[in-house]
Amino acid sequence: GNSVTQMEGPVTLSEEAFLTINCTYTATGYPSLFWYVQYPGEGLQLLLKATKADDKGSNKGFEATYRKETTSFHLEKGSVQVSDSAVYFCALSERYGGSQGNLIFGKGTKLSVKP
Amino acid sequence: NAGVTQTPKFRVLKTGQSMTLLCAQDMNHEYMYWYRQDPGMGLRLIHYSVGEGTTAKGEVPDGYNVSRLKKQNFLLGLESAAPSQTSVYFCASSPSGYQRAFFGQGTRLTVV
Repeated sequence: GNSVTQMEGPVTLSEEAFLTINCTYTATGYPSLFWYVQYPGEGLQLLLKATKADDKGSNKGFEATYRKETTSFHLEKGSVQVSDSAVYFCALSERYGGSQGNLIFGKGTKLSVKP
Repeated sequence: NAGVTQTPKFRVLKTGQSMTLLCAQDMNHEYMYWYRQDPGMGLRLIHYSVGEGTTAKGEVPDGYNVSRLKKQNFLLGLESAAPSQTSVYFCASSPSGYQRAFFGQGTRLTVV
């Protein structure tokens, strides 16, 4: 079945450091890939997405590229801020076939950014 | 525009009691989802629906039932609550499988 694996946390960085959160996936069809962010006490919000191979999603300085050859969708940001402290989730959704609509998430990576 | 609304926001149940969690969306979305979030486990999909009158099992469906009688509502039922069902439950909706999902604020359920 489909699955998403992302790096274990927590991750602690100093402000302005470079961020990478690794995400790999297993899927039987043609999934769309997403990064969601969850701030304390809130629901999840979409951060960025990519719907086909080689697409790059970007938002608020975060980027991720859909790599079909390595089944990866790593999240990166060149210079993190304290306000980026949150839990980040990688996710995939099958677009077609018997598992269409099956939106599944990785376990989440907690990021803490220190001033 | 309310988006996705979950009712109730908090609930304490005794073992063996039953309850229904309601999720309502006003965006005319086809897809709706129920997840549970537990520490260290991320979000695990319980059940989902790709349209009115349809439901499908997710990763952890045991102990839960769902219904999607109206397009805007997705109900999650616990027939006989167990302490293992203590969790935060999130509902989400999406226009399709390749578009973003919108999440509710969550329901914190404690089973004692």
